[in-house]
Amino acid sequence: EVQLLESGGGLVQPGGSLRLSCAASGFSFSMYAMSWVRQAPGKGLEWVSGMSNSGGSTYYAASVKGRFSTSRDNSNKIFYLQMNSLRVEDTAVYYCAKDIEGSYLATWSHWGQGALVTVSS
Amino acid sequence: DIQMTQSPSSLSASVGDRVTITCRASQRINNNLNWYQQKPGKAPILLIYDASSLQSGVSPRFSGRGSGTDFTLTITSLQPEDFATYYCQQTHSTIFTTFGQGTRLEI
Repeated sequence: EVQLLESGGGLVQPGGSLRLSCAASGFSFSMYAMSWVRQAPGKGLEWVSGMSNSGGSTYYAASVKGRFSTSRDNSNKIFYLQMNSLRVEDTAVYYCAKDIEGSYLATWSHWGQGALVTVSS
Repeated sequence: DIQMTQSPSSLSASVGDRVTITCRASQRINNNLNWYQQKPGKAPILLIYDASSLQSGVSPRFSGRGSGTDFTLTITSLQPEDFATYYCQQTHSTIFTTFGQGTRLEI
């Protein structure tokens, strides 16, 4: 069974940093592209970042480019989102999501339970 | 960016009804369109990909149609568990994928 478990969320002040982790199990992690998608309270879904299965290609939404960084550890099956220079508008539940195929298709067949990030002073 | 517009924003229906949700893209996206279902406090679930392909394990009461700029998600014989929010998502530009604003399906 595919499982994605996010951790690392919490309360941080504006301008601060936070790193989210997504521990994967139940599938060949190194064969699949992965993404981060967020949802602000009471709002819709917003794609944040995506990464190819090898980690060789990474993509970012304009709203986070230059502030957020995505990486992965295929040996330990962990997907990361490093968030710097956080803003109040980054407050959201952050989901990690597994692509439906190995290539980066931005089509997500499995999602984690989400990690809440609150940016507030 | 490609803008996705869903209609209606909310919809009231009853168990057993057939409902259709529409999604329109700001430019042609071929069949690069997914549909997700989300219930409160839960992660989204992929229902339909490539406009009309049913994701494994999803009830055949869900179906998708469309190509180009106009797409629909139809749910037949509504069940209590179908009341949720539905999102369309374009994958024509995978590196700048975007979602519709969501359609809330209520009893």
